[in-house]
Amino acid sequence: NAGVTQTPKFQVLKTGQSMTLQCAQDMNHEYMSWYRQDPGMGLRLIHYSVGAGITDQGEVPNGYNVSRSTTEDFPLRLLSAAPSQTSVYFCATRYDRANTEAFFGQGTRLTVV
Amino acid sequence: GESVGLHLPTLSVQEGDNSIINCAYSNSASDYFIWYKQESGKGPQFIIDIRSNMDKRQGQRVTVLLNKTVKHLSLQIAATQPGDSAVYFCAENILKNTGRRALTFGSGTRLQVQP
Repeated sequence: NAGVTQTPKFQVLKTGQSMTLQCAQDMNHEYMSWYRQDPGMGLRLIHYSVGAGITDQGEVPNGYNVSRSTTEDFPLRLLSAAPSQTSVYFCATRYDRANTEAFFGQGTRLTVV
Repeated sequence: GESVGLHLPTLSVQEGDNSIINCAYSNSASDYFIWYKQESGKGPQFIIDIRSNMDKRQGQRVTVLLNKTVKHLSLQIAATQPGDSAVYFCAENILKNTGRRALTFGSGTRLQVQP
């Protein structure tokens, strides 16, 4: 039982490159979300999903796309990376959309040069 | 070393003392609150939660207090230990304009425990 698995752990991109950050969970949680964490700031919500086929924008969605074709996976896509997207990205899952704790992955540290 | 949390407010306490970390939340309609602990290089870890129909909840060495009148949340850690050193975040379950709820985080407080 791995919980929430994020890959890769580290990534360096050049400006304009695209990539996908992967998030997989084996807890059968409906609710998945992506956050970014910048120095001196808390976690800011990028996108979230309350179930397969349903996604919503969070606080800072611009520059990111998501899809949720299965319960287990919630990839985050950067179509054209910018230096402002240098950050640590966390994926989180919850049992349902209501009042339960969120479980976090270990994060992906992304640097855009 | 980690660059996350460089400019966060810092609470410095002596080992064995009690710690109180405060958080102001934004939305009076939020119905659920969580405190998370984040150690260097790791993802946030759940500490304790509280629903809006309560004003106090206790765990092992931790207590969360909720004051809905002033939209304030606090985390009390008893007999603080060096292993408690970390960044602490409060999170609230906000109702979005989509009708769905999302967990939104505060900016965090760094707790430093002096031996």
